[in-house]
Amino acid sequence: GAGVSQSPSNKVTEKGKDVELRCDPISGHTALYWYRQSLGQGLEFLIYFQGNSAPDKSGLPSDRFSAERTGGSVSTLTIQRTQQEDSAVYLCASNGGRETQYFGPGTRLLVL
Amino acid sequence: DAKTTQPPSMDCAEGRAANLPCNHSTISGNEYVYWYRQIHSQGPQYIIHGLKNNETNEMASLIITEDRKSSTLILPHATLRDTAVYYCIVRAGGNQFYFGTGTSLTVIP
Repeated sequence: GAGVSQSPSNKVTEKGKDVELRCDPISGHTALYWYRQSLGQGLEFLIYFQGNSAPDKSGLPSDRFSAERTGGSVSTLTIQRTQQEDSAVYLCASNGGRETQYFGPGTRLLVL
Repeated sequence: DAKTTQPPSMDCAEGRAANLPCNHSTISGNEYVYWYRQIHSQGPQYIIHGLKNNETNEMASLIITEDRKSSTLILPHATLRDTAVYYCIVRAGGNQFYFGTGTSLTVIP
């Protein structure tokens, strides 16, 4: 079946611009996660959505970062006024109540 | 969630067993041990998880010590496609998986 998809696969932007990253989870999965992975580093948790509950935003690094999940399915991660240190791979994962997370291929963001 | 300690890198000869260690000395009784791997330029992939008992699936085996303070992931016959970063994670459930920096495994022809 279809896995987690993310778009765009690559994004190059100028410092100060806003960007939106999209995640389409596996159909029926109630939980959705966003992570960030800088070059050569491990995964950094950003935000977690579970059903209709309030999201866990504890990993968002600043108020320039926000995320939405509309209709319990597609999620958008928005970064406002991008900075060069925001350059990273942004990974989305979903799970359907079991313990394993299924990851998308990521969006590679480069802020010039 | 408890944190884990893994060696930064390991090599393994193709066809041989790869044994990847993980220390989790502060693990709590309700925390599971998970293993994921990340092949270059891809998202992480689930491998296996367990609580107390040893586990085996089509990808690997997980050996957890009796005191649960450490575990070993075993790839029985490593192939070149197993070259990846392997992450050991302990988690009680809830929201976060703390991935750390993992072990970079290189399978050598």
